[in-house]
Amino acid sequence: AQSVTQLGSHVSVSEGALVLLRCNYSSSVPPYLFWYVQYPNQGLQLLLKYTSAATLVKGINGFEAEFKKSETSFHLTKPSAHMSDAAEYFCAVRPTNAGKSTFGDGTTLTVKP
Amino acid sequence: DAGVTQSPTHLIKTRGQQVTLRCSPKSGHDTVSWYQQALGQGPQFIFQYYEEEERQRGNFPDRFSGHQFPNYSSELNVNALLLGDSALYLCASSRATGVSTDTQYFGPGTRLTVL
Repeated sequence: AQSVTQLGSHVSVSEGALVLLRCNYSSSVPPYLFWYVQYPNQGLQLLLKYTSAATLVKGINGFEAEFKKSETSFHLTKPSAHMSDAAEYFCAVRPTNAGKSTFGDGTTLTVKP
Repeated sequence: DAGVTQSPTHLIKTRGQQVTLRCSPKSGHDTVSWYQQALGQGPQFIFQYYEEEERQRGNFPDRFSGHQFPNYSSELNVNALLLGDSALYLCASSRATGVSTDTQYFGPGTRLTVL
């Protein structure tokens, strides 16, 4: 069984500030991990994924995430927030031996001018 | 290359009715998964289809059923609609890789409102 916990349902940062969105997971088998972004009234767009290669994963739009097995974490970061980053962000875990993804409840990112 | 497409975009039904949602996968993908996203929550896995068969199923009642066609497109059917079925229904496609799949790509979703 697997689960995802996203700490903080709402995060607010100023434009240009560091973005840190937290994700902790549990999985009974080695996992794949994903971050998705969702803009209002749209589907999910893949930001980045960890598939057991490098532990530091770089994604689109300047985002990156680090897989830390000892902490069961996969936190998402971006050095400098842009207004266009305001959206809902979802962390997801999928076992390497199955196709079902389990999502967290999401974190709403607000970027203040 | 078209991505994952879903139809219709929006749908309004009344309690007790039945609904069919449709999904066309991304070119080259053979696996389709369906998710339900209630307002303010993350997507919940309904089921996954591969080779026209249901391969995995989440914790959803039998009122939720699906089908996959030879061209890999898929339908989600929900019978005896309840108010609680109101949600965004997301389709995701991927390529099968043994017992697992490659990265899932999501469609824009169908917004279902049950009155």
